[in-house]
Amino acid sequence: GENVEQHPSTLSVQEGDSAVIKCTYSDSASNYFPWYKQELGKGPQLIIDIRSNVGEKKDQRIAVTLNKTAKHFSLHITETQPEDSAVYFCAAINGGSQGNLIFGKGTKLSVKP
Amino acid sequence: DGGITQSPKYLFRKEGQNVTLSCEQNLNHDAMYWYRQDPGQGLRLIYYSQIVNDFQKGDIAEGYSVSREKKESFPLTVTSAQKNPTAFYLCASSLGLAGGWTETQYFGPGTRLLVL
Repeated sequence: GENVEQHPSTLSVQEGDSAVIKCTYSDSASNYFPWYKQELGKGPQLIIDIRSNVGEKKDQRIAVTLNKTAKHFSLHITETQPEDSAVYFCAAINGGSQGNLIFGKGTKLSVKP
Repeated sequence: DGGITQSPKYLFRKEGQNVTLSCEQNLNHDAMYWYRQDPGQGLRLIYYSQIVNDFQKGDIAEGYSVSREKKESFPLTVTSAQKNPTAFYLCASSLGLAGGWTETQYFGPGTRLLVL
């Protein structure tokens, strides 16, 4: 079945810098890759997602890139702000197999003012 | 105001006791899910339901039970057979089969279960 590895587990950046979180997946048939942001004591919120028919997607300061050949996808946050501090989770699913989302273990991002 | 609600926010369980966590959604979604989250871990799927009166086991179903009598509701019971129930429990929903298996899942605010 699918396995998702997420790195790094913790990331500390200075306000205004960029942050990059990378995930690798094992099932080459996976075709949907969402990213979630979870603030302390709250449920995860979808921040961006990408499907396998595109290589990159942007939404203001957030972007996701997908490399199907290497089986990895990355979250890029530019001009980081203190409110970006949270735990970020990646996930993958092979929709064709009627499987379920498989999540990475999360990255705790700290943005220092 | 559409969304997913979970109650209670905190729940305490005594030894040998069954407890039930509530999850309600008014998004008109067919599919609903229960996840367990432990510190430093990703989300692990307990049970899911793609349609009313039907549900399937996830990766860690032992010690848990669910029901899906209404489209809006998907309660999770943590039974006494679950020996390590302390965790953060998250409910989610998605459009479901009508939208395909890659539809976005939306999460509720979670319930933290603690053992006394």
